[in-house]
Amino acid sequence: AQSVTQLDSHVSVSEGTPVLLRCNYSSSYSPSLFWYVQHPNKGLQLLLKYTSAATLVKGINGFEAEFKKSETSFHLTKPSAHMSDAAEYFCVVISVVNTDKLIFGTGTRLQVFP
Amino acid sequence: DVKVTQSSRYLVKRTGEKVFLECVQDMDHENMFWYRQDPGLGLRLIYFSYDVKMKEKGDIPEGYSVSREKKERFSLILESASTNQTSMYLCASRPTGFRNYEQYFGPGTRLTVT
Repeated sequence: AQSVTQLDSHVSVSEGTPVLLRCNYSSSYSPSLFWYVQHPNKGLQLLLKYTSAATLVKGINGFEAEFKKSETSFHLTKPSAHMSDAAEYFCVVISVVNTDKLIFGTGTRLQVFP
Repeated sequence: DVKVTQSSRYLVKRTGEKVFLECVQDMDHENMFWYRQDPGLGLRLIYFSYDVKMKEKGDIPEGYSVSREKKERFSLILESASTNQTSMYLCASRPTGFRNYEQYFGPGTRLTVT
């Protein structure tokens, strides 16, 4: 069965330092993967998506993610955190059985300290 | 810009009440979805719909039903609310199309059942 595992439930960084949010996926097929962000009391917004094109994917707000098939990973990074990045981040894989079904990770809450 | 709106941001209901959560999208999307979000569990799919009057069960449909009488509107119904249905409910929509997997989310309704 497909799944995604977000390895950290909470990550804390100082403003201006790099951000790394880790995600591993489990899939027998070449997956389609997303990262979504949810700011407090808001809906989910798509940050970036991988659909088997370039393995390094650039998203909004300076975020990027690299698809590594050998490591079954899709980690989200940003070179320099901003206070406005504080939010919850979800790694998502598209079900190969039903492409209407998004399989969500349990989320990583990012805190950014001044 | 795709807009998905939900009728209430916060709702408090009593056990046993019938509860309606409404979702409207303005982009003529064929597919609409209802999720619930709980801490540590990510998002779980309750029901989805491919078209007017069509519905499909997701992963956790028990205790819920849905209605889609118009393309732009998808309603989630709790026939007899229970305290274990206290949660954040998120609606999403997506157009039909090859590799059009991205879902667009509403802001959510935080439901408390007392």
